[in-house]
Amino acid sequence: KQEVTQIPAALSVPEGENLVLNCSFTDSAIYNLQWFRQDPGKGLTSLLLIQSSQREQTSGRLNASLDKSSGRSTLYIAASQPGDSATYLCAATGGGNKLTFGTGTQLKVEL
Amino acid sequence: SAVISQKPSRDICQRGTSLTIQCQVDSQVTMMFWYRQQPGQSLTLIATANQGSEATYESGFVIDKFPISRPNLTFSTLTVSNMSPEDSSIYLCSVVRGLNTEAFFGQGTRLTVV
Repeated sequence: KQEVTQIPAALSVPEGENLVLNCSFTDSAIYNLQWFRQDPGKGLTSLLLIQSSQREQTSGRLNASLDKSSGRSTLYIAASQPGDSATYLCAATGGGNKLTFGTGTQLKVEL
Repeated sequence: SAVISQKPSRDICQRGTSLTIQCQVDSQVTMMFWYRQQPGQSLTLIATANQGSEATYESGFVIDKFPISRPNLTFSTLTVSNMSPEDSSIYLCSVVRGLNTEAFFGQGTRLTVV
């Protein structure tokens, strides 16, 4: 059974700082790894998807990497802004397009 | 991308009653899923909504408690039956257009059972 863990559980940083969120998964037989953002009481917004054959994906200030063999993914956020404050979730896609979600990292970017 | 409309956005219900949540997608999609997010927890898959046939449930979830319909390729409903306070959660609809492609989520339904 796939298990996905995210470290740290919570993070508070000053505006402008670069930061890294970590995601680890136990079963490397995944089809892709997806990063989401969730604002309080809201649904999920897809940020980046990395296929199993890829090493990284970039979108604006976000860069996600994937190392399938070691069961790890990282989300790098450059020049953080208060608007980046949210919970970030990673999810590993297994058979049948079923997602197994991590525990989430709650990010707060302070002025 | 996909535009997903989920209704209602929130509700407060009495224990013992049932609530049906609707999920409407702006265009046909191959796969639709229902997830639950309990307070302070991450998301857990309830079931895969299959068009024209019975839903496929994950371990720990049963059809009698969470009946699901999917009459066509753009619409699905999830019913939470005989509710108890433990059913208080956010319920989210998700769609995928093709195998191993990006998953998109609705805004969720925040259910409180009193």
